[in-house]
Amino acid sequence: DAEITQSPRHKITETGRQVTLACHQTWNHNNMFWYRQDLGHGLRLIHYSYGVQDTNKGEVSDGYSVSRSNTEDLPLTLESAASSQTSVYFCASSESKKGANLGEQFFGPGTRLTVL
Amino acid sequence: SQKIEQNSEALNIQEGKTATLTCNYTNYSPAYLQWYRQDPGRGPVFLLLIRENEKEKRKERLKVTFDTTLKQSLFHITASQPADSATYLCALGHTGGFKTIFGAGTRLFVKA
Repeated sequence: DAEITQSPRHKITETGRQVTLACHQTWNHNNMFWYRQDLGHGLRLIHYSYGVQDTNKGEVSDGYSVSRSNTEDLPLTLESAASSQTSVYFCASSESKKGANLGEQFFGPGTRLTVL
Repeated sequence: SQKIEQNSEALNIQEGKTATLTCNYTNYSPAYLQWYRQDPGRGPVFLLLIRENEKEKRKERLKVTFDTTLKQSLFHITASQPADSATYLCALGHTGGFKTIFGAGTRLFVKA
Protein backbone atom coordinates (compact mmCIF):
# COMPACT_ATOMS: atom_id res chain seq x y z
CA ASP A 1 0.00 0.00 0.00
CA ALA A 2 1.13 3.51 -0.74
CA GLU A 3 2.13 5.57 2.25
CA ILE A 4 3.92 8.66 3.49
CA THR A 5 6.54 8.28 6.20
CA GLN A 6 8.50 10.72 8.33
CA SER A 7 11.70 10.26 10.27
CA PRO A 8 12.67 10.63 12.96
CA ARG A 9 9.40 10.55 14.89
CA HIS A 10 10.98 12.34 17.82
CA LYS A 11 14.05 14.56 17.91
CA ILE A 12 15.72 16.60 20.61
CA THR A 13 18.42 19.02 19.52
CA GLU A 14 20.25 22.06 20.77
CA THR A 15 19.96 25.67 19.71
CA GLY A 16 22.13 26.46 16.71
CA ARG A 17 22.39 22.92 15.35
CA GLN A 18 21.34 22.02 11.83
CA VAL A 19 18.52 19.50 11.73
CA THR A 20 17.00 17.65 8.78
CA LEU A 21 13.60 15.99 8.91
CA ALA A 22 12.88 13.36 6.29
CA CYS A 23 9.64 12.83 4.37
CA HIS A 24 9.13 9.97 1.90
CA GLN A 25 5.97 9.16 -0.04
CA THR A 26 5.15 6.23 -2.29
CA TRP A 27 1.93 7.71 -3.71
CA ASN A 28 3.86 9.12 -6.70
CA HIS A 29 2.30 12.49 -5.94
CA ASN A 30 3.74 15.63 -7.53
CA ASN A 31 2.70 17.93 -4.67
CA MET A 32 4.41 17.81 -1.28
CA PHE A 33 4.02 20.08 1.74
CA TRP A 34 5.61 20.74 5.10
CA TYR A 35 3.56 22.13 8.01
CA ARG A 36 4.19 22.87 11.62
CA GLN A 37 1.44 22.48 14.20
CA ASP A 38 1.41 24.46 17.41
CA LEU A 39 -1.30 24.78 20.01
CA GLY A 40 -3.73 27.51 19.04
CA HIS A 41 -2.27 27.98 15.56
CA GLY A 42 -3.32 24.88 13.73
CA LEU A 43 -1.31 23.77 10.72
CA ARG A 44 0.90 26.45 9.18
CA LEU A 45 2.55 25.93 5.83
CA ILE A 46 6.35 26.10 5.82
CA HIS A 47 7.34 25.10 2.28
CA TYR A 48 5.75 23.26 -0.60
CA SER A 49 6.71 21.72 -3.91
CA TYR A 50 4.71 21.00 -7.06
CA GLY A 51 7.33 18.74 -8.61
CA VAL A 52 10.99 17.85 -8.92
CA GLN A 53 13.26 20.91 -8.65
CA ASP A 54 10.28 23.09 -7.67
CA THR A 55 10.10 24.61 -4.18
CA ASN A 56 8.04 27.49 -2.78
CA LYS A 57 7.88 29.37 0.50
CA GLY A 58 4.85 29.12 2.72
CA GLU A 59 3.68 31.51 5.41
CA VAL A 60 6.33 30.56 8.02
CA SER A 61 9.40 29.73 5.93
CA ASP A 62 12.06 31.77 7.77
CA GLY A 63 14.79 29.50 9.15
CA TYR A 64 13.72 26.51 7.03
CA SER A 65 14.72 25.16 3.64
CA VAL A 66 13.70 22.28 1.39
CA SER A 67 14.96 20.62 -1.77
CA ARG A 68 13.19 18.30 -4.20
CA SER A 69 15.56 16.08 -6.15
CA ASN A 70 13.06 13.28 -6.82
CA THR A 71 9.32 12.68 -6.64
CA GLU A 72 9.36 10.66 -3.43
CA ASP A 73 11.29 12.87 -1.00
CA LEU A 74 11.07 16.38 0.42
CA PRO A 75 13.52 16.81 3.31
CA LEU A 76 13.07 19.83 5.58
CA THR A 77 16.20 21.46 6.98
CA LEU A 78 16.41 23.80 9.93
CA GLU A 79 19.60 25.70 9.22
CA SER A 80 20.24 26.81 12.81
CA ALA A 81 17.62 25.47 15.18
CA ALA A 82 15.92 27.93 17.54
CA SER A 83 13.68 27.28 20.54
CA SER A 84 10.82 28.89 18.61
CA GLN A 85 11.03 25.99 16.18
CA THR A 86 10.00 23.48 18.84
CA SER A 87 6.86 22.04 17.31
CA VAL A 88 5.24 19.04 15.64
CA TYR A 89 6.06 18.86 11.95
CA PHE A 90 3.83 17.20 9.39
CA CYS A 91 4.62 16.31 5.83
CA ALA A 92 1.82 15.82 3.29
CA SER A 93 1.39 14.99 -0.37
CA SER A 94 -1.38 15.34 -2.92
CA GLU A 95 -2.15 14.62 -6.56
CA SER A 96 -1.93 17.24 -9.27
CA LYS A 97 -5.08 16.04 -10.97
CA LYS A 98 -8.18 18.08 -10.21
CA GLY A 99 -10.51 15.18 -9.60
CA ALA A 100 -13.35 14.54 -7.22
CA ASN A 101 -11.24 15.04 -4.09
CA LEU A 102 -9.41 18.11 -5.33
CA GLY A 103 -6.41 18.93 -3.19
CA GLU A 104 -6.91 15.99 -0.82
CA GLN A 105 -3.73 15.78 1.20
CA PHE A 106 -2.27 12.61 2.69
CA PHE A 107 -0.37 13.31 5.87
CA GLY A 108 2.55 11.57 7.49
CA PRO A 109 2.54 10.62 11.20
CA GLY A 110 4.48 13.72 12.24
CA THR A 111 7.84 14.50 13.85
CA ARG A 112 7.95 16.00 17.32
CA LEU A 113 10.98 18.32 17.48
CA THR A 114 12.28 19.85 20.68
CA VAL A 115 14.98 22.52 20.54
CA LEU A 116 16.70 23.10 23.87
CA SER B 1 -4.99 38.99 6.04
CA GLN B 2 -6.70 35.67 5.40
CA LYS B 3 -8.22 34.18 8.50
CA ILE B 4 -10.02 30.94 9.30
CA GLU B 5 -11.87 30.60 12.58
CA GLN B 6 -13.03 27.42 14.20
CA ASN B 7 -14.48 27.24 17.67
CA SER B 8 -11.49 26.83 19.96
CA GLU B 9 -13.66 25.49 22.76
CA ALA B 10 -14.22 21.77 22.78
CA LEU B 11 -17.64 20.49 21.83
CA ASN B 12 -19.13 17.91 24.19
CA ILE B 13 -22.19 15.97 23.07
CA GLN B 14 -24.06 12.83 23.99
CA GLU B 15 -23.84 9.70 21.88
CA GLY B 16 -26.59 9.56 19.26
CA LYS B 17 -26.92 13.33 18.94
CA THR B 18 -25.83 15.43 15.97
CA ALA B 19 -22.55 17.30 16.31
CA THR B 20 -22.28 20.58 14.42
CA LEU B 21 -18.92 22.27 13.93
CA THR B 22 -18.42 25.69 12.39
CA CYS B 23 -15.74 27.11 10.11
CA ASN B 24 -15.76 30.83 9.33
CA TYR B 25 -13.33 32.66 7.10
CA THR B 26 -12.48 36.24 6.13
CA ASN B 27 -10.49 37.92 3.37
CA TYR B 28 -10.57 34.81 1.22
CA SER B 29 -12.53 33.52 -1.75
CA PRO B 30 -11.92 29.77 -1.71
CA ALA B 31 -12.63 27.54 -4.67
CA TYR B 32 -13.16 24.63 -2.30
CA LEU B 33 -13.27 23.75 1.36
CA GLN B 34 -12.11 20.52 2.98
CA TRP B 35 -12.68 18.89 6.35
CA TYR B 36 -10.10 16.67 8.02
CA ARG B 37 -10.10 14.56 11.16
CA GLN B 38 -7.08 14.40 13.45
CA ASP B 39 -6.60 11.95 16.29
CA PRO B 40 -4.07 12.63 19.09
CA GLY B 41 -0.50 11.94 17.98
CA ARG B 42 -1.43 11.36 14.34
CA GLY B 43 -1.61 13.29 11.10
CA PRO B 44 -4.90 14.68 9.75
CA VAL B 45 -7.05 12.44 7.57
CA PHE B 46 -9.19 13.82 4.74
CA LEU B 47 -12.97 13.45 5.15
CA LEU B 48 -14.87 15.59 2.67
CA LEU B 49 -14.48 18.28 0.06
CA ILE B 50 -17.09 20.81 -1.05
CA ARG B 51 -16.64 23.22 -3.95
CA GLU B 52 -17.70 26.86 -4.06
CA ASN B 53 -20.64 26.11 -6.36
CA GLU B 54 -22.00 23.36 -4.08
CA LYS B 55 -24.31 24.07 -1.17
CA GLU B 56 -24.19 20.68 0.54
CA LYS B 57 -22.27 17.41 0.45
CA ARG B 58 -22.98 14.16 2.25
CA LYS B 59 -20.96 11.07 3.01
CA GLU B 60 -22.48 8.42 5.25
CA ARG B 61 -23.14 10.16 8.61
CA LEU B 62 -21.29 13.32 7.58
CA LYS B 63 -22.81 16.42 6.02
CA VAL B 64 -21.04 19.62 5.01
CA THR B 65 -22.63 22.89 3.96
CA PHE B 66 -20.87 25.81 2.31
CA ASP B 67 -22.27 29.34 2.28
CA THR B 68 -19.97 31.66 0.32
CA THR B 69 -22.15 34.66 1.18
CA LEU B 70 -21.84 34.09 4.92
CA LYS B 71 -18.26 32.82 4.40
CA GLN B 72 -19.09 29.82 6.52
CA SER B 73 -19.10 26.05 6.42
CA LEU B 74 -20.97 23.78 8.82
CA PHE B 75 -19.87 20.20 9.43
CA HIS B 76 -22.44 17.80 10.86
CA ILE B 77 -21.97 14.30 12.26
CA THR B 78 -25.31 12.60 12.75
CA ALA B 79 -25.90 9.74 15.20
CA SER B 80 -22.55 10.53 16.78
CA GLN B 81 -20.50 7.80 18.43
CA PRO B 82 -17.66 7.89 20.98
CA ALA B 83 -15.36 6.82 18.11
CA ASP B 84 -16.10 10.19 16.46
CA SER B 85 -14.19 11.94 19.25
CA ALA B 86 -11.29 13.76 17.60
CA THR B 87 -10.19 17.18 16.40
CA TYR B 88 -11.77 18.35 13.16
CA LEU B 89 -9.95 20.80 10.90
CA CYS B 90 -11.31 22.83 8.03
CA ALA B 91 -9.07 23.91 5.18
CA LEU B 92 -9.59 26.30 2.29
CA GLY B 93 -8.08 26.07 -1.17
CA HIS B 94 -8.24 28.20 -4.29
CA THR B 95 -8.31 27.42 -7.99
CA GLY B 96 -4.98 27.17 -9.69
CA GLY B 97 -3.09 25.86 -6.71
CA PHE B 98 -3.11 22.88 -4.45
CA LYS B 99 -2.00 24.45 -1.23
CA THR B 100 -4.55 25.04 1.45
CA ILE B 101 -4.81 27.08 4.62
CA PHE B 102 -6.01 25.33 7.75
CA GLY B 103 -8.06 26.38 10.71
CA ALA B 104 -6.86 25.53 14.21
CA GLY B 105 -9.49 22.84 14.62
CA THR B 106 -12.30 22.04 17.04
CA ARG B 107 -12.03 19.19 19.53
CA LEU B 108 -15.14 16.98 19.69
CA PHE B 109 -15.93 14.69 22.60
CA VAL B 110 -18.80 12.24 22.26
CA LYS B 111 -19.92 10.72 25.56
CA ALA B 112 -21.41 7.25 25.74
